[in-house]
Amino acid sequence: GESVGLHLPTLSVQEGDNSIINCAYSNSASDYFIWYKQESGKGPQFIIDIRSNMDKRQGQRVTVLLNKTVKHLSLQIAATQPGDSAVYFCAERERDDKIIFGKGTRLHILP
Amino acid sequence: KAGVTQTPRYLIKTRGQQVTLSCSPISGHRSVSWYQQTPGQGLQFLFEYFSETQRNKGNFPGRFSGRQFSNSRSEMNVSTLELGDSALYLCASRGGSSYNEQFFGPGTRLTVL
Repeated sequence: GESVGLHLPTLSVQEGDNSIINCAYSNSASDYFIWYKQESGKGPQFIIDIRSNMDKRQGQRVTVLLNKTVKHLSLQIAATQPGDSAVYFCAERERDDKIIFGKGTRLHILP
Repeated sequence: KAGVTQTPRYLIKTRGQQVTLSCSPISGHRSVSWYQQTPGQGLQFLFEYFSETQRNKGNFPGRFSGRQFSNSRSEMNVSTLELGDSALYLCASRGGSSYNEQFFGPGTRLTVL
C-alpha cells in the first residue's frame, strides 16, 4: 500500500489564520519529502520540498517541518488566503526516484 | 514554455474496450510519469518513463501499459477496461535542476460504462 498518508481529510481555517497540514510517512529511506497543491480541475502543483537530512525549510508563506523520529511531515501556511483553498498532498521521492503521493487533505478557508 | 498537455481530456468507454491516452511533456523534460487519481485512493503511481525506457512501475495489473517516444511524448494504454478503471489519469514531466518538481497536465477523465 501507500507509504505516505495523511491525518485529516478536511481542514477548515479562518482566512488570515495560519494553517497546518500534517502527514505521516512510513518509508524512512526516502530522499526527499514534497508538498503539492491541487486546485479544482487542475493537476497538482509543486509547493516545496525538504531533503531527508533537514528538519525545516521555509518558502514564501510556507514552511515544511520534518520530524524523522516520529516520521511526521507538516506544511504550515502563514496568513491563509482564499486562494489557498485546495487539496494538499504530501509525497516522497524514493531512492529509485519515483514520487509517491499520500491521499490528500482538503483545505477549506472560512471567510 | 508550453505546459504538459494531455489528450483527450474526456473519454467514455465501455467495459472490455481498450483506450490509449497521450501526454506531451514540457520541452526538454525526459521523464514522464503517469498517475491514476480516484476519490477513494488518491493519486496512485502507474509508471515512469525516461528516455524511452520504463524506469519505475507501480502496483497495477498488466492491463496497464505505457511507452515513450524519442521526442519524450508518452502514451498509456489500458486494455480490457473495467468499471473500476474510471478515474482521472494524470501525467507529469520533470527535468532540470529540481527533480522533485513534477509538472502535471490537466488529466484525462476516463469513464467506463
